[in-house]
Amino acid sequence: AQKITQTQPGMFVQEKEAVTLDCTYDTSDPSYGLFWYKQPSSGEMIFLIYQGSYDQQNATEGRYSLNFQKARKSANLVISASQLGDSAMYFCAMREISGGSYIPTFGRGTSLIVHP
Amino acid sequence: DVKVTQSSRYLVKRTGEKVFLECVQDMDHENMFWYRQDPGLGLRLIYFSYDVKMKEKGDIPEGYSVSREKKERFSLILESASTNQTSMYLCASTPIRAGTDTQYFGPGTRLTVL
Repeated sequence: AQKITQTQPGMFVQEKEAVTLDCTYDTSDPSYGLFWYKQPSSGEMIFLIYQGSYDQQNATEGRYSLNFQKARKSANLVISASQLGDSAMYFCAMREISGGSYIPTFGRGTSLIVHP
Repeated sequence: DVKVTQSSRYLVKRTGEKVFLECVQDMDHENMFWYRQDPGLGLRLIYFSYDVKMKEKGDIPEGYSVSREKKERFSLILESASTNQTSMYLCASTPIRAGTDTQYFGPGTRLTVL
């Protein structure tokens, strides 16, 4: 079973609109971290945002926010006011912390295309 | 500014060749990782290392080996390249107690095996 599921292989959004990229996860570890990365066509992985399992508030970083619903095991990325430069692959990842593991698990990614 | 570098951005090799992909980080991180990325499959872990001369198999180690002689350098070796190893290869590093810390990635190497 996949630990990280990204159900949207591709998403399209109009410039300046908001978009939500879905991510669900599966873990029995009470302490874990969730990450989102952006990968432009150039290939480098860019860290966007982090949410800890014990964080009370949803993480935000500029135009990025993480809609964390712990009971649903959901960690959706919200990009507000989309820009053309947001066109990229987006990956959700989880690291289970309690077990001392430092190896994150990645989802299969969502390709986002922003239209002018 | 943290940095992970990979020896090549693009590489073209022939079937049967021995291929070396080099990764260097300047953050004194203990943990280093090699991933392979294919469309629709996300990132799959090939090998990782948590210390010099230590290595552990990831999810898809077949056809690959690694070497970590120095803390800052982690090499991925394709002993006899095959066309199904054509892929994007990403190196990453984290400190020993990564916890909430992100992985730091290199720019990636797009390998084509003809």
